Amino acid sequence: DIQMTQSPSSLSASVGDRVTITCRASQSISSYLNWYQQKPGKAPKLLIYAASNLQSGVPSRFSGSGSGTDFTLTISSLQPEDFATYYCQQSYSPPWTFGQGTKVEIK
Amino acid sequence: EVQLVESGGGLVQPGGSLRLSCAASGFTFSSHSMNWVRQAPGKGLEWVSYIISSSSTIYYADSVKGRFTISRDNAKNALYLQMNSLRAEDTAVYYCARVLQRPYYYMDVWGKGTTVTVSS
Repeated sequence: DIQMTQSPSSLSASVGDRVTITCRASQSISSYLNWYQQKPGKAPKLLIYAASNLQSGVPSRFSGSGSGTDFTLTISSLQPEDFATYYCQQSYSPPWTFGQGTKVEIK
Repeated sequence: EVQLVESGGGLVQPGGSLRLSCAASGFTFSSHSMNWVRQAPGKGLEWVSYIISSSSTIYYADSVKGRFTISRDNAKNALYLQMNSLRAEDTAVYYCARVLQRPYYYMDVWGKGTTVTVSS
């Protein structure tokens, strides 16, 4: 199975900060990497698919990059509604594994 | 509006069975692959099972293989998850999600989830 490791597990940031979350795969997954945002009590929401493609309707302050084993999710200017948990997920081969999540909290 | 609505969750004893349903609307269900994903209380997301549009390809997580069965009825726009031999560790919110392949696989629409509690 492909293991996905996110870092950090949590972070504190202020509104307006630039935030970067990293995700590392245990083997190459090409660009089969997606990012989701989840708020408490809600379903996950797709942000980025295929490593760098912004899902329709998602603000442009979100961006993704990387290929192979190393990926990043960047929020260019953190907004109040961005405080949530973020998950990476590989869809290169089943089982489709998620990272453990990164909780973004208010500083 | 594209929508997925899960149902069928509840409280069940260890060793028991439960059947989850996911009703799809607002899109051509028969053209899309589907996933079940779960989230245990206070934990992260765990992919459970995948079914292709024609039902000809199915995958399971090792944690549920042999106990859970995914299926679909394209005429009814419905996805199912039959869960047998339930364990305490199956306690979770279960989400159904639409899978797109463009050509990379990703889940673009999610239901709100249904809660399964396995406890005596």
